[in-house]
Amino acid sequence: NAGVMQNPRHLVRRRGQEARLRCSPMKGHSHVYWYRQLPEEGLKFMVYLQKENIIDESGMPKERFSAEFPKEGPSILRIQQVVRGDSAAYFCASSPRSPGINEQFFGPGTRLTVL
Amino acid sequence: TQLLEQSPQFLSIQEGENLTVYCNSSSVFSSLQWYRQEPGEGPVLLVTVVTGGEVKKLKRLTFQFGDARKDSSLHITAAQPGDTGLYLCAGARSTLGRLYFGRGTQLTVWP
Repeated sequence: NAGVMQNPRHLVRRRGQEARLRCSPMKGHSHVYWYRQLPEEGLKFMVYLQKENIIDESGMPKERFSAEFPKEGPSILRIQQVVRGDSAAYFCASSPRSPGINEQFFGPGTRLTVL
Repeated sequence: TQLLEQSPQFLSIQEGENLTVYCNSSSVFSSLQWYRQEPGEGPVLLVTVVTGGEVKKLKRLTFQFGDARKDSSLHITAAQPGDTGLYLCAGARSTLGRLYFGRGTQLTVWP
């Protein structure tokens, strides 16, 4: 079974450009989460999505960040007009459709560097 | 403010030693997960504890969930260099939804 897939693994953008991060959940998983990790810090929740629905976006910055999980295709985290402070590792996690407990399985991450 | 406090932040020990990592909170969690993360990779789930007082063993690793479901510990017996990594605890407040992560414990085991 393939795990959570993320691409690209590394992304370099100049200030003001757009960054698009993709996440394909594990087979059979319909819940997707995005987290951000800065050096010396744990993972910070950003957004929780199900197919075609944003369930919880309380961790998303109010501006420039958006996320979607369409009916077909991967989940996308989009960062517009990137700034140096957006440089971080972004992780996607997925969990099963009817989980008995909240277990989330993480992808390898996308490391975004803003020049 | 951090909902889950992990200690110690850094731990450097010799091969064969025992160690304990703590994860504490003033909040109650429905479950708590422990992950291990290696440089350049995503966190890998080690264990999930659900019931207060629960103890789970994974080879040389022993995980305990506090009776009140507010804290947890990870004990490693006879540590090996392969145990080196960042250990993260994460709490869930419901069966779906966000996880709350601690800052992590960076463990280094020297041969």
